[in-house]
Amino acid sequence: RKEVEQDPGPFNVPEGATVAFNCTYSNSASQSFFWYRQDCRKEPKLLMSVYSSGNEDGRFTAQLNRASQYISLLIRDSKLSDSATYLCVVNRGAGSYQLTFGKGTKLSVIP
Amino acid sequence: GAVVSQHPSWVICKSGTSVKIECRSLDFQATTMFWYRQFPKQSLMLMATSNEGSKATYEQGVEKDKFLINHASLTLSTLTVTSAHPEDSSFYICSTEGSGRAGNTDTQYFGPGTRLTVL
Repeated sequence: RKEVEQDPGPFNVPEGATVAFNCTYSNSASQSFFWYRQDCRKEPKLLMSVYSSGNEDGRFTAQLNRASQYISLLIRDSKLSDSATYLCVVNRGAGSYQLTFGKGTKLSVIP
Repeated sequence: GAVVSQHPSWVICKSGTSVKIECRSLDFQATTMFWYRQFPKQSLMLMATSNEGSKATYEQGVEKDKFLINHASLTLSTLTVTSAHPEDSSFYICSTEGSGRAGNTDTQYFGPGTRLTVL
């Protein structure tokens, strides 16, 4: 089983649509969870951290289910600028800064 | 503005040459830096953890004699790809743990990456 698994997509959605990405992770010791976005040929950039209680940042909502080892990201009212690859990322354990990345889910928002 | 810089941003070299990549934290001291590489359509893979003043810790399957890491100061880590071959062509990205940065909230800062092409 891959350490962090994501549907690679691509997800092609029209502007204004709502889209959801899912991710599962295998390391039960992971304590920190993130969504990053990566544009083509660029470094990953932190989109948001994910907390057990769920958290929202504008149009983006992230959820974490520790029991199922499942993380989700919901994007509402998609913009053209949201087109990117979304990476699900977990750390290796309590206090660890070492990160394990998923392969990413590619999103294309179409006018 | 940028928090972590990398140099060079891209490099093309002949097979058998060595390439040095620098990673600098710009406004804070980074005790620990990480080196990742990313092959096309693949995830970022951690290569090694670099600690200032001590030897780097390499991930399983990463040859420490081929990928030399030096973290001689709190703001600079270097990765040297020795005797590079075409299969080493990849996107190399460094990151730092940002505990030394004011206002940090457990964030990790990534450099812009170095694209290495070995002919």
